Amino acid sequence: RKEVEQDPGPFNVPEGATVAFNCTYSNSASQSFFWYRQDCRKEPKLLMSVYSSGNEDGRFTAQLNRASQYISLLIRDSKLSDSATYLCVVNIGEGQNFVFGPGTRLSVLP
Amino acid sequence: ETGVTQTPRHLVMGMTNKKSLKCEQHLGHNAMYWYKQSAKKPLELMFVYSLEERVENNSVPSRFSPECPNSSHLFLHLHTLQPEDSALYLCASSQAPYGLEQFFGPGTRLTVL
Repeated sequence: RKEVEQDPGPFNVPEGATVAFNCTYSNSASQSFFWYRQDCRKEPKLLMSVYSSGNEDGRFTAQLNRASQYISLLIRDSKLSDSATYLCVVNIGEGQNFVFGPGTRLSVLP
Repeated sequence: ETGVTQTPRHLVMGMTNKKSLKCEQHLGHNAMYWYKQSAKKPLELMFVYSLEERVENNSVPSRFSPECPNSSHLFLHLHTLQPEDSALYLCASSQAPYGLEQFFGPGTRLTVL
């Protein structure tokens, strides 16, 4: 089993739609969790950290379920500019061991 | 300069060449990383320098050699590479030991002929 797995995608949605991405991780010792977005031929950029209580930043909501070892990202009222690859990242609890998922590609269509 | 910078942004080299990639972070972080991103593959962690200690991924071939002279600078020395080493090489930094988020440089796109 891979350490971090994500919905394979791609997701093609119309503007204004709500879309949800899922991520699972295998190491129960994982300590911190993040969502990054990566535009084509660019570097990954932090979208949001994921906290145990869940957190929201504008149209974006992240949830963490430690018991199920599952992270989600919800995007409401999607914009054309949300088109990117979304990367789930898990820190495996030994300081600096960050593991990236394969990413889920989102295309928001006019 | 702000954030994380990388030079060069693009590099084409032959299999017998020796070159180096440079990364500099201006964020006051104390951990730096090299990642490899090949087409349609997840980011692969190559090397980590954290609190002056090197953590190495054992699957990295010896033709890649990192150097971290201080907490702000990181190099990746390349020699006798193979065409399959062509990829985007990304540098990142973070604040150790807390596992906080990483900040990435723009990457060096490497092509090995």
